[in-house]
Amino acid sequence: DTAVSQTPKYLVTQMGNDKSIKCEQNLGHDTMYWYKQDSKKFLKIMFSYNNKELIINETVPNRFSPKSPDKAHLNLHINSLELGDSAVYFCASSRVAGGFTGELFFGEGSRLTVL
Amino acid sequence: KNEVEQSPQNLTAQEEEFITINCSYSVGISALHWLQQHPGGGIVSLFMLSSGKKKHGRLIATINIQEKHSSLHITASHPRDSAVYICAVWGTGNQFYFGTGTSLTVIP
Repeated sequence: DTAVSQTPKYLVTQMGNDKSIKCEQNLGHDTMYWYKQDSKKFLKIMFSYNNKELIINETVPNRFSPKSPDKAHLNLHINSLELGDSAVYFCASSRVAGGFTGELFFGEGSRLTVL
Repeated sequence: KNEVEQSPQNLTAQEEEFITINCSYSVGISALHWLQQHPGGGIVSLFMLSSGKKKHGRLIATINIQEKHSSLHITASHPRDSAVYICAVWGTGNQFYFGTGTSLTVIP
């Protein structure tokens, strides 16, 4: 059983469309994250949720909206997609938030290509 | 300037060599992570440190909080260690910062 699973793995779409990436973890962790890895392979945190509550919201456009229906799921919805949104998006989870967290468990990544 | 700096950016080593990757950071932290990203893209957590030293098999990670510096060592390196190694820190203000990664290639 995959600990942190993301779908879809690959997503190719046109500019202006709205798309979602789903993430689920079966580790019983309280905290989930979304990270973006750009074309230069640089990782950056986008959001962090702890028990369905937003705790980190980095400077990302309002077009990006995370949704956490329960603590095992954190979905990422992107409106009005732009070329610059093309990247690999990683979901991750950990036992608790912040510096007292245990190790991070990552999903396999979702490669988004905006044409 | 990035809050987390890694060196070197790229590293090529012969099999069995001892490897050191360095990470320096400029913010107060509550924890530091070392991550490994495989050529296929998957990311695995290697260590989480808040002080001292940890060891898993051939990997050793150390941190010096006063000097704001961490090192990742690989003993008896092997081609399967070829990957990108990423240092990341939890800032005390609940921020999370990544280094730019060190690309390691181990040649047989």
